[in-house]
Amino acid sequence: DSGVTQTPKHLITATGQRVTLRCSPRSGDLSVYWYQQSLDQGLQFLIQYYNGEERAKGNILERFSAQQFPDLHSELNLSSLELGDSALYFCASSVGPGTQETQYFGPGTRLLVL
Amino acid sequence: EDQVTQSPEALRLQEGESSSLNCSYTVSGLRGLFWYRQDPGKGPEFLFTLYSAGEEKEKERLKATLTKKESFLHITAPKPEDSATYLCAVQAGYSTLTFGKGTMLLVSP
Repeated sequence: DSGVTQTPKHLITATGQRVTLRCSPRSGDLSVYWYQQSLDQGLQFLIQYYNGEERAKGNILERFSAQQFPDLHSELNLSSLELGDSALYFCASSVGPGTQETQYFGPGTRLLVL
Repeated sequence: EDQVTQSPEALRLQEGESSSLNCSYTVSGLRGLFWYRQDPGKGPEFLFTLYSAGEEKEKERLKATLTKKESFLHITAPKPEDSATYLCAVQAGYSTLTFGKGTMLLVSP
């Protein structure tokens, strides 16, 4: 158990809908990262937050957004869902920039868009 | 742009048959190279971080090594429970991780 929690574990929804994925980092970690993993693309970095502020952006679509709250949990919002958004979504956390950067991953949310 | 290539894509071993997985990388200013293990449908599990060429780290039957262009994950006398996908990732400067596509390892009894 990495100490990173994600909810829900599974999500089934329809095209055009909007969903919210939630992540709680390990105790003491200030950075949260979101990744998307599909069979053909591997693990793709989406976005990073550090202590409530956006720090880095990867291949995140405009339909997707995220935020980190004062209690350091993070939410990833996916809107206008398409079939191709079906994937595993992982959250990871680390202590933060300037210190050891090992990222610890949560168990993931499996999203299926029908 | 940082690039990570892992080979082979898949590897099948008999229990006890040692082998190595390769991770080749192109990065400007390597800050760290990371190995993770991922079981189907689960989140990646951290194994090792290597910071500089020549560094080696060991954990049970696994040993990771690093050169200026690649890293190897050596698996000695593997057991069926070592079956998983092994992911390699690099970090440059203060950037985020770039992952390879992984090597899927199957160890048969």
